[in-house]
Amino acid sequence: EDQVTQSPEALRLQEGESSSLNCSYTVSGLRGLFWYRQDPGKGPEFLFTLYSAGEEKEKERLKATLTKKESFLHITAPKPEDSATYLCAVQDMDTGFQKLVFGTGTRLLVSP
Amino acid sequence: EPEVTQTPSHQVTQMGQEVILRCVPISNHLYFYWYRQILGQKVEFLVSFYNNEISEKSEIFDDQFSVERPDGSNFTLKIRSTKLEDSAMYFCASSESQALNIQYFGAGTRLSVL
Repeated sequence: EDQVTQSPEALRLQEGESSSLNCSYTVSGLRGLFWYRQDPGKGPEFLFTLYSAGEEKEKERLKATLTKKESFLHITAPKPEDSATYLCAVQDMDTGFQKLVFGTGTRLLVSP
Repeated sequence: EPEVTQTPSHQVTQMGQEVILRCVPISNHLYFYWYRQILGQKVEFLVSFYNNEISEKSEIFDDQFSVERPDGSNFTLKIRSTKLEDSAMYFCASSESQALNIQYFGAGTRLSVL
């Protein structure tokens, strides 16, 4: 069964304090790993997709990386507007290649 | 920027009643999905839909649930006889193709079953 585990559950940072969020996954064959941002009461907003180990993607203060077992979302010099829940999800080539299997997310709070 | 639109934003219903949640996917997308998120829990896959038929469904998606694309723009989720445990946020998503498989989500419909 596909599994996605995210850590930490919650993270509190000061503005400008860089950190990383972790997503560990277990799949038969990875089709893609996705990072989304979710604000309270809203739908997931797409950030990145990664397809193979060693791949990296960047967008503003965020950088996502991928290994064969986990992905990291690095946040450099965060701002209060980066406060949100960050969700990791995987697609498995072998067991239902379309559905996304989500982790429980990391709630990030960035204080000014 | 194209977006997935869901209506209503909040639906309150009595247990045992039927509800229909509506979605307008992004116009050139071919794959459509429903997910749900019970308060405080993870986002869970319900069903995917392609070429006017269900392509994949989860164990949650039992006979009480159905999906339909009644016209060229709308995609609906029907729950025939709602239960208290159906209370959740329901998200519609769409993706362009198998190759371009990024799923874009709507803002969701909060379903409250009383």
